[in-house]
Amino acid sequence: DGGITQSPKYLFRKEGQNVTLSCEQNLNHDAMYWYRQDPGQGLRLIYYSQIVNDFQKGDIAEGYSVSREKKESFPLTVTSAQKNPTAFYLCASSTLQGEQYFGPGTRLTVT
Amino acid sequence: GNSVTQMEGPVTLSEEAFLTINCTYTATGYPSLFWYVQYPGEGLQLLLKATKADDKGSNKGFEATYRKETTSFHLEKGSVQVSDSAVYFCALNPLGGTSYGKLTFGQGTILTVHP
Repeated sequence: DGGITQSPKYLFRKEGQNVTLSCEQNLNHDAMYWYRQDPGQGLRLIYYSQIVNDFQKGDIAEGYSVSREKKESFPLTVTSAQKNPTAFYLCASSTLQGEQYFGPGTRLTVT
Repeated sequence: GNSVTQMEGPVTLSEEAFLTINCTYTATGYPSLFWYVQYPGEGLQLLLKATKADDKGSNKGFEATYRKETTSFHLEKGSVQVSDSAVYFCALNPLGGTSYGKLTFGQGTILTVHP
């Protein structure tokens, strides 16, 4: 079955540590996205990539970094510079028609 | 800029009631419009879409019509079930149906359906 996988589902880290969230897709989509969702709020775009080896900042990129070395993979690193990293992180990929398909999400808790 | 405004929630209904969740948008050109649904603890699922004016998207009993004259894309369902309880997001792709674009999402509307 084609889809998007994110791992792990739950992640716990100590403050001051960097952490990398995994996102893999086998839908053969060129574009991939990372969003952050806070309780009771909508989605905010962190980074997106429309082609391998290229990516752009979204609305809240500070404290995050990404790489896109393979079409299938778009990992997100939450750095210690991110002031409020505890959130639900969603990865998505999209067709050329703009439909985005989402993974199951990773809930990151930093204490 | 582009924006999407959804009706405030939460919306609470009894099973078999009629559902409307209002969505209006601001965008230049001819955006594509989407409704997504998110169940607790999960990612978003595409529910339906429309790519041009007067298009009606439909799926699983839900419908929404792209109204350019009123810049609206209201979600409706004739008879809701307990299993429809979720958060619903309206979204637009400002570049329409021919480009990746960045989706602009509404803030989400929580729907709770009681037996």
